[in-house]
Amino acid sequence: NAGVMQNPRHLVRRRGQEARLRCSPMKGHSHVYWYRQLPEEGLKFMVYLQKENIIDESGMPKERFSAEFPKEGPSILRIQQVVRGDSAAYFCASSPNTGRAFFGQGTRLTVV
Amino acid sequence: DAKTTQPNSMESNEEEPVHLPCNHSTISGTDYIHWYRQLPSQGPEYVIHGLTSNVNNRMASLAIAEDRKSSTLILHRATLRDAAVYYCILGQGGSEKLVFGKGTKLTVNP
Repeated sequence: NAGVMQNPRHLVRRRGQEARLRCSPMKGHSHVYWYRQLPEEGLKFMVYLQKENIIDESGMPKERFSAEFPKEGPSILRIQQVVRGDSAAYFCASSPNTGRAFFGQGTRLTVV
Repeated sequence: DAKTTQPNSMESNEEEPVHLPCNHSTISGTDYIHWYRQLPSQGPEYVIHGLTSNVNNRMASLAIAEDRKSSTLILHRATLRDAAVYYCILGQGGSEKLVFGKGTKLTVNP
């Protein structure tokens, strides 16, 4: 059973471009979470999704950020018109109905 | 969200036991105590969790105070690979977001 897969591992975008981060949860996991870690800081919750539904997006910035977890395919975190302050590590986690969360290796976004 | 308090950093020597404390004085009766760790440049990794009784697994032990207002993660023999930031997190044990604090940065000396 492969772990949580995130790609790309590293992403460089120029200011104003779009960034798309992908996350494939572990097999059988229907819950996906996205977290952001700014340099030298702790992880901050962004959004919690189940298949085709956003359950909790209380940590998502109001503008430019969106997330989806379609019926088929990976979960996508999309950042439009990136700015330098979006540079961070973005981690995805998945879990079954209860219990521990399994994290991916993260996508490190650099905005130049 | 219930909060936890951990020391910013701790040091240990290789092959010695490490006791990482966590205070959670506002814990509710249904909150589980979770521990995750994050190695450098990696995603967080589950370590252990418990509710009331002490817990053991292949990675560590979790000692929970009788009043549940504090707990201690115990690494029985620290290795260099245990150098990481350790996070103590309260949660209901279901599908929910994790609220990470600053954690304890553990340095293991050879």
